[in-house]
Amino acid sequence: RKEVEQDPGPFNVPEGATVAFNCTYSNSASQSFFWYRQDCRKEPKLLMSVYSSGNEDGRFTAQLNRASQYISLLIRDSKLSDSATYLCVVNKGGTASKLTFGTGTRLQVTL
Amino acid sequence: NAGVTQTPKFQVLKTGQSMTLQCAQDMNHEYMSWYRQDPGMGLRLIHYSVGAGITDQGEVPNGYNVSRSTTEDFPLRLLSAAPSQTSVYFCASSYSGAGDGTDTQYFGPGTRLTVL
Repeated sequence: RKEVEQDPGPFNVPEGATVAFNCTYSNSASQSFFWYRQDCRKEPKLLMSVYSSGNEDGRFTAQLNRASQYISLLIRDSKLSDSATYLCVVNKGGTASKLTFGTGTRLQVTL
Repeated sequence: NAGVTQTPKFQVLKTGQSMTLQCAQDMNHEYMSWYRQDPGMGLRLIHYSVGAGITDQGEVPNGYNVSRSTTEDFPLRLLSAAPSQTSVYFCASSYSGAGDGTDTQYFGPGTRLTVL
């Protein structure tokens, strides 16, 4: 079983739709959680950190369920510019060297 | 700030050749790392450094060497290239390697390497 699992997609949604991605992680001792965005043939960039209480940044909402070892990302009012691959990232230890990246979920927003 | 820069952008090698991938950052970050990204596998850590003169192995270090003589530079050396090293290589840096959720990783644009 992979340490961080994501549905690879692609998720094809029309502009304006709401879309949710899920991610599960296997190490219950994991300490911090993130969503990164990666455009085609580009480098990953931090989208948002994920906090236990859940957090929101504009149209993006991230949730963490430690009991189920589950992270989610909700995108409301999808834009064409949201088309990208979204990487779930988990830190299973006390240093950045313990970051584990999921393989990503691809989102395609269409007109 | 240029952020994290990597050269070259593309490289083709023959099996057995050696080369160095360059990485530099101008953000005065202490922590730097190298990842490779392969289809269906996610980014995997090759080597990392928590400061000048200090390096350590990541998940997939075999076939690669690193050194960190300055805060700014963190080159990755392929000793004897193999087809299994065909991949996209990303260098990343962060203010610290604390792993406390505040150490955002800033990635370079990547080097696409093909080994024939």
